[in-house]
Amino acid sequence: DVKVTQSSRYLVKRTGEKVFLECVQDMDHENMFWYRQDPGLGLRLIYFSYDVKMKEKGDIPEGYSVSREKKERFSLILESASTNQTSMYLCASLRGPDEQFFGPGTRLTVL
Amino acid sequence: GENVEQHPSTLSVQEGDSAVIKCTYSDSASNYFPWYKQELGKRPQLIIDIRSNVGEKKDQRIAVTLNKTAKHFSLHITETQPEDSAVYFCAASWGSSASKIIFGSGTRLSIRP
Repeated sequence: DVKVTQSSRYLVKRTGEKVFLECVQDMDHENMFWYRQDPGLGLRLIYFSYDVKMKEKGDIPEGYSVSREKKERFSLILESASTNQTSMYLCASLRGPDEQFFGPGTRLTVL
Repeated sequence: GENVEQHPSTLSVQEGDSAVIKCTYSDSASNYFPWYKQELGKRPQLIIDIRSNVGEKKDQRIAVTLNKTAKHFSLHITETQPEDSAVYFCAASWGSSASKIIFGSGTRLSIRP
C-alpha cells in the first residue's frame, strides 16, 4: 500500500524562522504535491513536482519554496515564516493516473 | 483562471436520508472529477471518481453524476449513516498525469441520529 509520511504532525514556529516540512513516499511515484488546507478555502496547491529537481508553482506559491533532490522526498520550505502561514499542510503523491494519496498532514502554527 | 465551486459548505441530514453535494467547474477541458472524504483529524481519501466520458457512476450508497454541458457534477449519498459524517471535497483536473487539480472549498456533512 502507498505510504506518504510527513515529518511532523504538529509544529510551532516563530515569525521569521525558516521552516522545513518534509514529505516521503515509498512507492517510487514521480508526482508529488504540497497543499495548504484552510477552513472555507478547501485545498490549495502550493507547488508540485513531476520528477527529481523538477517543480512547478501551484496557485499560491508566494512565501514558499520546494526541494526535490530525491524521488521519494519532497520538501516545503518557508524561508521566513509569517503568521498568515499558520495552516494545515498536506503532502500528496500521485497513485495511479490521477488519484492523489495524501499524507497525514502537518498543522503549523506561526506565532 | 480555473475554478471549482462547491455547495453547500455545511449540510446536516437525518440518519437514513440522502445527502447531495454539488460542484461546478470553469474549465471545459477538465476530464477527471474525484471526490475525497476527510474524517476529523485524518487525511483526505478518495471515495469515488468519474471521468468526462461517463455520465454517472455508482458504488454502493455513493453515486456521482456529471453534466458536461452545464459543467457541474454532484455527489449523492443514500441511506446516510453516522460514519458518513466528514468533510467532502470535490475536485477537477485535466491534462496529463502531472496536471494540476483544483479542489472545491469542501462540505461539512453531519448526520443527525
